[in-house]
Amino acid sequence: SQQGEEDPQALSIQEGENATMNCSYKTSINNLQWYRQNSGRGLVHLILIRSNEREKHSGRLRVTLDTSKKSSSLLITASRAADTASYFCATDESGYSTLTFGKGTMLLVSP
Amino acid sequence: DGGITQSPKYLFRKEGQNVTLSCEQNLNHDAMYWYRQDPGQGLRLIYYSQIVNDFQKGDIAEGYSVSREKKESFPLTVTSAQKNPTAFYLCASRPTPGQGRGYYGYTFGSGTRLTVV
Repeated sequence: SQQGEEDPQALSIQEGENATMNCSYKTSINNLQWYRQNSGRGLVHLILIRSNEREKHSGRLRVTLDTSKKSSSLLITASRAADTASYFCATDESGYSTLTFGKGTMLLVSP
Repeated sequence: DGGITQSPKYLFRKEGQNVTLSCEQNLNHDAMYWYRQDPGQGLRLIYYSQIVNDFQKGDIAEGYSVSREKKESFPLTVTSAQKNPTAFYLCASRPTPGQGRGYYGYTFGSGTRLTVV
């Protein structure tokens, strides 16, 4: 069953612009994670935010979490062509559950 | 460097044939996972193992089998019972969160693309 659902399904922007992706989920969680996948490759873990956190930063990434709305957003600032990839959110219900992934957002950053 | 190695990168299976996908990690992680990825469907969990000699079915285990005889290895066999095996298969691992150690994300391998010919 799909827990997280990303929105939009696809996003096309110019280099230097910000990219925002959203994730909604259905049940209570311990933490939510974001991953990046380049075409034909494995996923790379970007950032983890716990249920008692509201915002977290890592370099050009900013993640927010609203547990009352069961939603999260990933903001990539000053996008680069190298950020072109698919981005997935994943939820962890207990802290050591199997992760449940959404279908992902495909981000295209044009030079 | 520590990481997860999946092999082969590409695999072709004939109808009625069993094939085995390899997944090896040298990260000393306890838990290992197999996911299947189809276009537009995200990742779906096939099997997982949180400790040696123990594994659990995921959401789409039918037609697949696994073993976990060593901590480092978690091979996946796609059997002839799996009617639509063409997909991208991803293996992942994660350490067990301990007291005060926090929570962790997965480390993924680079995947195996399986095609039925």
